[in-house]
Amino acid sequence: AQSVTQLGSHVSVSEGALVLLRCNYSSSVPPYLFWYVQYPNQGLQLLLKYTSAATLVKGINGFEAEFKKSETSFHLTKPSAHMSDAAEYFCAVTTGQGSSNTGKLIFGQGTTLQVKP
Amino acid sequence: ETGVTQSPTHLIKTRGQQVTLRCSSQSGHNTVSWYQQALGQGPQFIFQYYREEENGRGNFPPRFSGLQFPNYSSELNVNALELDDSALYLCASSLPRAPTETQYFGPGTRLLVL
Repeated sequence: AQSVTQLGSHVSVSEGALVLLRCNYSSSVPPYLFWYVQYPNQGLQLLLKYTSAATLVKGINGFEAEFKKSETSFHLTKPSAHMSDAAEYFCAVTTGQGSSNTGKLIFGQGTTLQVKP
Repeated sequence: ETGVTQSPTHLIKTRGQQVTLRCSSQSGHNTVSWYQQALGQGPQFIFQYYREEENGRGNFPPRFSGLQFPNYSSELNVNALELDDSALYLCASSLPRAPTETQYFGPGTRLLVL
């Protein structure tokens, strides 16, 4: 079975500081990993995804994440936080094994990012 | 290109009632997934529809059911509502089923059960 753990339910950074949101996964088969962002009263928007190509994945709005198999991690980073980055961030995993695979996403609990002026 | 839309945006029901939520998928997408997001939690997979048939189901009881129509729009039906069914219900559409395909989410329907 697959699972995702997001360390830190709340992360607070100053505007212009580095953003680091942590995600560790558990999967017995090669995973596909996603980061989604959710702004208040909105649905989820894809930031980036890892699909077994390059381990360093670049996404929208200056975010990137690195897949580290040895650490079973897929942490999300951004060099310089903007006020507009304040939102809820979700890491998710799915796998490609088996003909019955549905691509169902298994989400972590989420991390709320606060950006202070 | 129209994105994923959901209706209604908000809904209030009482325990024991039934509810139907609707989702229109993004143009060209024939796969629709439904998720339940309780307050302060990550979304949980309810089920997925592909070409009008259920294609995978999460750990939800049978009173959660769905339909997909020939135009790929979808409905989520919940019978005998319970207080714990209060949540944001998200619909996501994607291209033909493949784990790497991006799922595009609608804004959700917020259901409150009293």
